[in-house]
Amino acid sequence: KQEVTQIPAALSVPEGENLVLNCSFTDSAIYNLQWFRQDPGKGLTSLLLIQSSQREQTSGRLNASLDKSSGRSTLYIAASQPGDSATYLCAVREGGKLIFGQGTELSVKP
Amino acid sequence: EPEVTQTPSHQVTQMGQEVILRCVPISNHLYFYWYRQILGQKVEFLVSFYNNEISEKSEIFDDQFSVERPDGSNFTLKIRSTKLEDSAMYFCASRSTMGYGYTFGSGTRLTVV
Repeated sequence: KQEVTQIPAALSVPEGENLVLNCSFTDSAIYNLQWFRQDPGKGLTSLLLIQSSQREQTSGRLNASLDKSSGRSTLYIAASQPGDSATYLCAVREGGKLIFGQGTELSVKP
Repeated sequence: EPEVTQTPSHQVTQMGQEVILRCVPISNHLYFYWYRQILGQKVEFLVSFYNNEISEKSEIFDDQFSVERPDGSNFTLKIRSTKLEDSAMYFCASRSTMGYGYTFGSGTRLTVV
């Protein structure tokens, strides 16, 4: 059974720092992996999608990598800003459904 | 940018009552989903729907739950007799056939009292 784990559960950094969020999954037979952002009490906003054949994707200050064989993905956020404060979720697509990690709650202090 | 629209944003209902959560997926998407997130827990898959039928459902999706696409635009989740433990944020999502990612709605917060 696929399990998705995110470390750390919470992270607090000063503005301007570069940071890395980690996601691991137990079964490498995934179709793709998607990173989402969730603001408190709100919906899920898609940030990056990495297909299983890809190694990384970039969007602005965000870069996500995927190492399928080791069951790991990282989300790198460059030059963090207070507006980046949110919970970041990774999810792997297995068959037709997404399996989510529990998220990393990020707080960026001015 | 196309959006998935969910209504209502918040619904309070009494235990035992029926509720219908509504979603308008992105118009050219063909796969539709419901997920839920109990406060403080992971987002969990409930059901997937394709070609006017359920393609997969989780253990959570028991006989109290049903989904329907009554017309060409709406996608609904019905809970027949709500329980306290059904209190959660319910998310609708849709996906195209092109291998792209999922687009989620902003959610309906269901509170059962």
